[in-house]
Amino acid sequence: GQNIDQPTEMTATEGAIVQINCTYQTSGFNGLFWYQQHAGEAPTFLSYNVLDGLEEKGRFSSFLSRSKGYSYLLLKELQMKDSASYLCAARFSGGYNKLIFGAGTRLAVHP
Amino acid sequence: DAMVIQNPRYQVTQFGKPVTLSCSQTLNHNVMYWYQQKSSQAPKLLFHYYDKDFNNEADTPDNFQSRRPNTSFCFLDIRSPGLGDAAMYLCATSTARQGMGTEAFFGQGTRLTVV
Repeated sequence: GQNIDQPTEMTATEGAIVQINCTYQTSGFNGLFWYQQHAGEAPTFLSYNVLDGLEEKGRFSSFLSRSKGYSYLLLKELQMKDSASYLCAARFSGGYNKLIFGAGTRLAVHP
Repeated sequence: DAMVIQNPRYQVTQFGKPVTLSCSQTLNHNVMYWYQQKSSQAPKLLFHYYDKDFNNEADTPDNFQSRRPNTSFCFLDIRSPGLGDAAMYLCATSTARQGMGTEAFFGQGTRLTVV
């Protein structure tokens, strides 16, 4: 299987930092994506990692450890509009860039 | 400008009545995906294409079929929709390359209601 695991829900305070973790099975892995999804809308791309380390993009950063099958998304200076689901997705080499999603982490940002 | 377009945004169909959802793209991407997403769940991959090569997921019901007549268009056919098929259907595209800039781009989705 190609299970992707992430926490179901998280809450945080406006202005704070939150880290959303994701684990995946490493067999055939060749890329890790994070998407944001607001209720009733399509996912929008946030970040991509294929090599170990941290990728920073403004308030959002994403980290990958290939050997551990682990990634996290770090959101800084949280804003109310960051309340959304955050989907971790892994690409696997079998079948032409097969992209499998986790169930998503629903983040609620409170004042 | 929308790059992955799904029509319609909302579709109501009768139980057992065939329905087709459409997706078009202006990105000239080789890979096109269809996902089913139910409330508070992960987008579930139904199948994907690399050009015309079709890859069906093992657990995709036979009730779901797909066609890709050319690079730009892809269709999802549900032959006999049941109540359990009510969901958001997401189309996405990507290149077949590896590396940066290879993320999947999503359409706005079609929300299917079965009555």
